[in-house]
Amino acid sequence: GAGVSQSPSNKVTEKGKDVELRCDPISGHTALYWYRQSLGQGLEFLIYFQGNSAPDKSGLPSDRFSAERTGGSVSTLTIQRTQQEDSAVYLCASSSRGLNYEQYFGPGTRLTVT
Amino acid sequence: GNSVTQMEGPVTLSEEAFLTINCTYTATGYPSLFWYVQYPGEGLQLLLKATKADDKGSNKGFEATYRKETTSFHLEKGSVQVSDSAVYFCALSSGYALNFGKGTSLLVTP
Repeated sequence: GAGVSQSPSNKVTEKGKDVELRCDPISGHTALYWYRQSLGQGLEFLIYFQGNSAPDKSGLPSDRFSAERTGGSVSTLTIQRTQQEDSAVYLCASSSRGLNYEQYFGPGTRLTVT
Repeated sequence: GNSVTQMEGPVTLSEEAFLTINCTYTATGYPSLFWYVQYPGEGLQLLLKATKADDKGSNKGFEATYRKETTSFHLEKGSVQVSDSAVYFCALSSGYALNFGKGTSLLVTP
């Protein structure tokens, strides 16, 4: 079946612009995660959605970052007023449950802020 | 807090050599442990996992044993192939979010 998909695969933006990154999880998966992969910081957890519960935003690095998940499916990660340090690969994952269940990752969106 | 430390790479091996990538962790409670692999140009894939002490995860000839007494989850393979060239990430989960190590790059030469 279809895996986790993300779009765009690459995004180049100018410093100060807003960007939106999209994630389509595996159908039926109730849990959705965003991570960031950068050379300096490795893989970092950003945010977690589980069903209709309030998301865990504890990993978001600043208030310029926000995410939503509509209808319990597609998620959008928004970065406002992008900075050069936001350049990274943004990974989305989904799982059938939240707790210690296998997470399936998408191919990622490579964001470059110039 | 939770953290994972894995050996730095890159690791370069000849085909059919024995592989060990060390991973140790710090966590409260009883985490689940994972190895993920990222092949060139591809996304992260789960390689194997172990959910409790003394469990052994295995897949594609790779193995790792959850050692609570040494807080370790070392990845091993008896005979690597060129197709195993990738970046390997050790990770733990004591809830839902994964805490990853920095990754170890493996290059296997013919």
